Amino acid sequence: SQQGEEDPQALSIQEGENATMNCSYKTSINNLQWYRQNSGRGLVHLILIRSNEREKHSGRLRVTLDTSKKSSSLLITASRAADTASYFCATDWGGYALNFGKGTSLLVTP
Amino acid sequence: EAQVTQNPRYLITVTGKKLTVTCSQNMNHEYMSWYRQDPGLGLRQIYYSMNVEVTDKGDVPEGYKVSRKEKRNFPLILESPSPNQTSLYFCASSLSNGETQYFGPGTRLLVL
Repeated sequence: SQQGEEDPQALSIQEGENATMNCSYKTSINNLQWYRQNSGRGLVHLILIRSNEREKHSGRLRVTLDTSKKSSSLLITASRAADTASYFCATDWGGYALNFGKGTSLLVTP
Repeated sequence: EAQVTQNPRYLITVTGKKLTVTCSQNMNHEYMSWYRQDPGLGLRQIYYSMNVEVTDKGDVPEGYKVSRKEKRNFPLILESPSPNQTSLYFCASSLSNGETQYFGPGTRLLVL
C-alpha cells in the first residue's frame, strides 16, 4: 500500500511551544488528511488539504502541502497538555481507501 | 449526534469461538471500513464497503468476513478467531472513499 510516513516518530515539548510533524508519501494524491488519536481511542479528523491547495489553517493548526516534494507538515502552535496524542497523516491516492502512516506521538508537558 | 458506534468495546474470547463486532453509523454514509491497529504497524485496513451489498478486501482480510445488508451497518465477523487477531479494531465511515472518515471508539479484542 502507498503508506504515508510521519516524522518524527515521537516528539516531546513543553506547553506553549510549537509542535511540527511531517508526512511524506510516495504517489500522487487527491488529498491529504491529518487525524489525532488520544490513547486507545478512535481517530478524530483534524484537517483535509486538497492537492491544489498549499496551506490550510484551523484554529491553532496549520497544514502545508508540497506536492512536488510529496510532503506535508502539521504545525500546532502554542501547544497545550491536551494536545498530547498521536497524529496520523492519511492520503487519498484515488484507490479504495485512505492510507494511514504509523503516526507521530506527541507529548506536551506542563 | 452524528456518530459511529461499535459493540462490544472490549472482548476476551478463546481461539475458534465465532464472534461479531457490530458497527453502525447515523450519517447516511456510503463508504464504511474496518481497520485494525497494532503497535508498530499503524492502521491497516481489513475490509471496506462502497455501498450496500458492495464489499471488498483491504490489506489484511485473512480470517475476517463482513456484510453490508443495510447502509448504516457494517459488522465484522471472525469465524474462527486466533491469537494473532488480538488487536484494537476500528470501524469508520465517510461520504465516499477519499473523504473525511469518522471513526468509532474502537473494540479491543483479546483472543486466548
